[in-house]
Amino acid sequence: EAGVTQFPSHSVIEKGQTVTLRCDPISGHDNLYWYRRVMGKEIKFLLHFVKESKQDESGMPNNRFLAERTGGTYSTLKVQPAELEDSGVYFCASSQVFGQTEAFFGQGTRLTVV
Amino acid sequence: SQQGEEDPQALSIQEGENATMNCSYKTSINNLQWYRQNSGRGLVHLILIRSNEREKHSGRLRVTLDTSKKSSSLLITASRAADTASYFCATALPAGTALIFGKGTTLSVSS
Repeated sequence: EAGVTQFPSHSVIEKGQTVTLRCDPISGHDNLYWYRRVMGKEIKFLLHFVKESKQDESGMPNNRFLAERTGGTYSTLKVQPAELEDSGVYFCASSQVFGQTEAFFGQGTRLTVV
Repeated sequence: SQQGEEDPQALSIQEGENATMNCSYKTSINNLQWYRQNSGRGLVHLILIRSNEREKHSGRLRVTLDTSKKSSSLLITASRAADTASYFCATALPAGTALIFGKGTTLSVSS
């Protein structure tokens, strides 16, 4: 069974540009989460999808971040326009039962904004 | 404010020694989970302990949970160089939010 996959693994973009990150969860997992880790800081929750619906987006930093999960399968996280402070590692995770079981994480996308 | 906080921030030991990491949290939880992140890779789930459990074992891992002190510890016995990684505790709250992570403990095991 394939795990959670994220694309790209690395992205270097200039300030002001747009970047779209993609996450493919484990098949059958209704719950999909996005997290971000800025260098040396904690892993911070961004948002949670249940199927195609945004269950909780309280962690989204600002309106430059847009997450979608059309059809309840893969998800995208778009940053437009990117700022320097958006640099970090973006993790996607999925789980079967929300909050009760382990979450399976992808390898992460390392985003560097220069 | 941060829910989970690991201690120490960094730990260096020799192969064969035991490594103990602690996690403190602030509010009631449904369960607490430990994850490992090897350099440049994703987070790997290690173990989950529910709020009504006090101790759990998995191979060389031993996790304890003290809900009265709002703390947990992760013990890795007979450490190996391959255990070198960052370790994170994550709490799942009863109210139903996503996992909340701390900053992690960086463990270095030298041979």
